[in-house]
Amino acid sequence: DSGVTQTPKHLITATGQRVTLRCSPRSGDLSVYWYQQSLDQGLQFLIQYYNGEERAKGNILERFSAQQFPDLHSELNLSSLELGDSALYFCASSVAVLAGGSVADTQYFGPGTRLTVL
Amino acid sequence: AQRVTQPEKLLSVFKGAPVELKCNYSYSGSPELFWYVQYSRQRLQLLLRHISRESIKGFTADLNKGETSFHLKKPFAQEEDSAMYYCALSVPGGYNKLIFGAGTRLAVHP
Repeated sequence: DSGVTQTPKHLITATGQRVTLRCSPRSGDLSVYWYQQSLDQGLQFLIQYYNGEERAKGNILERFSAQQFPDLHSELNLSSLELGDSALYFCASSVAVLAGGSVADTQYFGPGTRLTVL
Repeated sequence: AQRVTQPEKLLSVFKGAPVELKCNYSYSGSPELFWYVQYSRQRLQLLLRHISRESIKGFTADLNKGETSFHLKKPFAQEEDSAMYYCALSVPGGYNKLIFGAGTRLAVHP
């Protein structure tokens, strides 16, 4: 068990609604990453936080936002939901971010939250 | 832009047969390559990364910079190897974000 937890496991909502996905990283990990896994786009990086600060953004829509709190848990907020937002959302954590370094930090993934937009 | 290509959506083999899951990447520098595995209804787990040069569960992968490949190999497949396998790329200065391939489903038949 990697120790990364995500809640809820499943979420079913309607178009136009707003939801919040929660992630708790492994103990000691300062970095949190969010990924979206959909049938047509595969696994895509959304956004990353390190010790409360946003560090990198990927293919994240403006309707989506995230934050990392002082206790290091993170939340991904998805608003004005569309059918195409239906996907599995993964959170991952790692110890640190080595922005200019040559060695990447291993990421440990949570079980994911399956979002269904009807 | 960096990209990871896994050309096979499905690889079907019999138990005991050799396995090779292909992964090609596009990046001109020195990337870090990873293989993640996702067993049925479980989370993504790191299988191996090229810098560690480890063999995990009998799997190995060698980074070939000339061919920009990082194929995953196992000499004798086991039924418990059946899973989704994802190749991923991380680039220096990229804040550790992973760029994933589309994944290959490995089905090992008895």
